[in-house]
Amino acid sequence: DAGITQSPRHKVTETGTPVTLRCHQTENHRYMYWYRQDPGHGLRLIHYSYGVKDTDKGEVSDGYSVSRSKTEDFLLTLESATSSQTSVYFCAISEGGMEQYFGPGTRLTVT
Amino acid sequence: AQSVAQPEDQVNVAEGNPLTVKCTYSVSGNPYLFWYVQYPNRGLQFLLKYITGDNLVKGSYGFEAEFNKSQTSFHLKKPSALVSDSALYFCAFSRNDYKLSFGAGTTVTVRA
Repeated sequence: DAGITQSPRHKVTETGTPVTLRCHQTENHRYMYWYRQDPGHGLRLIHYSYGVKDTDKGEVSDGYSVSRSKTEDFLLTLESATSSQTSVYFCAISEGGMEQYFGPGTRLTVT
Repeated sequence: AQSVAQPEDQVNVAEGNPLTVKCTYSVSGNPYLFWYVQYPNRGLQFLLKYITGDNLVKGSYGFEAEFNKSQTSFHLKKPSALVSDSALYFCAFSRNDYKLSFGAGTTVTVRA
């Protein structure tokens, strides 16, 4: 999985609580991405980063925020988790060749 | 809206037979097209990409894809499928903005 780790790998949380997912890379790639995967929807981009402290929204960014204070770490925060945010979350990295390399995923359940 | 579509939710083939996974695109200009594969409980793995040039693109694990501008298609093919090719396959496109948009995915089952 191309030097990408995600933590935690599994999480169960209650509605209304904040949740932070971490993506860590050892490839020194410039671009980092957060996606969610839901049946019938493929993967949908939540947020992405094109450098340290440079981030932008994707197509499903409502209810999510991100931060990137170091090249290697990209954090995704669910400010107040809802059941609709139950999903599998994937981090990806890219060095601008447009192909992206994905982490192993985090399965999040919001009860 | 620009998009890629995977018209088949599932594809079933016998081992040793040709495998085709279909993708059509609706993207203005010159699209950058990709195929990814996801094995159970794993992240996506890059298979191949079309940027420009030769319409036949060769990728990992014996897969190839043909870019057809007149039919706006980018079908993934393998001449002889293996049981180990059973997985979820995604077509994706980019508008050269370093972001990918994915199709809904096609589940491939190769029976022994």
